Amino acid sequence: SQTIHQWPATLVQPVGSPLSLECTVEGTSNPNLYWYRQAAGRGLQLLFYSVGIGQISSEVPQNLSASRPQDRQFILSSKKLLLSDSGFYLCAWRGQPSIGEKLFFGSGTQLSVL
Amino acid sequence: AQKITQTQPGMFVQEKEAVTLDCTYDTSDPSYGLFWYKQPSSGEMIFLIYQGSYDQQNATEGRYSLNFQKARKSANLVISASQLGDSAMYFCAMRVGNGQNFVFGPGTRLSVLP
Repeated sequence: SQTIHQWPATLVQPVGSPLSLECTVEGTSNPNLYWYRQAAGRGLQLLFYSVGIGQISSEVPQNLSASRPQDRQFILSSKKLLLSDSGFYLCAWRGQPSIGEKLFFGSGTQLSVL
Repeated sequence: AQKITQTQPGMFVQEKEAVTLDCTYDTSDPSYGLFWYKQPSSGEMIFLIYQGSYDQQNATEGRYSLNFQKARKSANLVISASQLGDSAMYFCAMRVGNGQNFVFGPGTRLSVLP
């Protein structure tokens, strides 16, 4: 069966520090991978998605970046965090493209930038 | 552009009663999928139910059913026989055509009262 791992669960970082959040998927190959951000009490905003190794699409211009060094690994990074980067970050994957394929989410990372 | 609207920021329902959570969507593409997710206080996103734009019948999954009214562009979630464990945020989402993006609504917070 497929599983998705996301870590860390919580993170407190000072403004200007770097960031690295990692997400890995098991039990499937060539998944579509996603990073979403959720501000407190609000909906999900798509940050990045990837359809394959090294292929990253950005939906929102910001100081964050994403990389996909391996088929089932997706990394969210920042060189210098801003206060506005605080939020709940969710990694997700989707199987072979078809209109009905749902997103499977990781457990999320609560990031607080102070 | 695709958009999801959930006009109920919060809803209350008595245990064992049924409740309807509203969702309207906007797209000009004839091919799309509609999804409902539940987010408990733990933060994980749990898939509940899916409806395709070409599906002739409304989707049902256990106590969850989707009231799909295509002409009105609405996809309301109906939860029958509410349980205390149903208290959570509920998000409506849409994916259009072969697009990679899942667009999420702002969510509805459901509170089930004993």
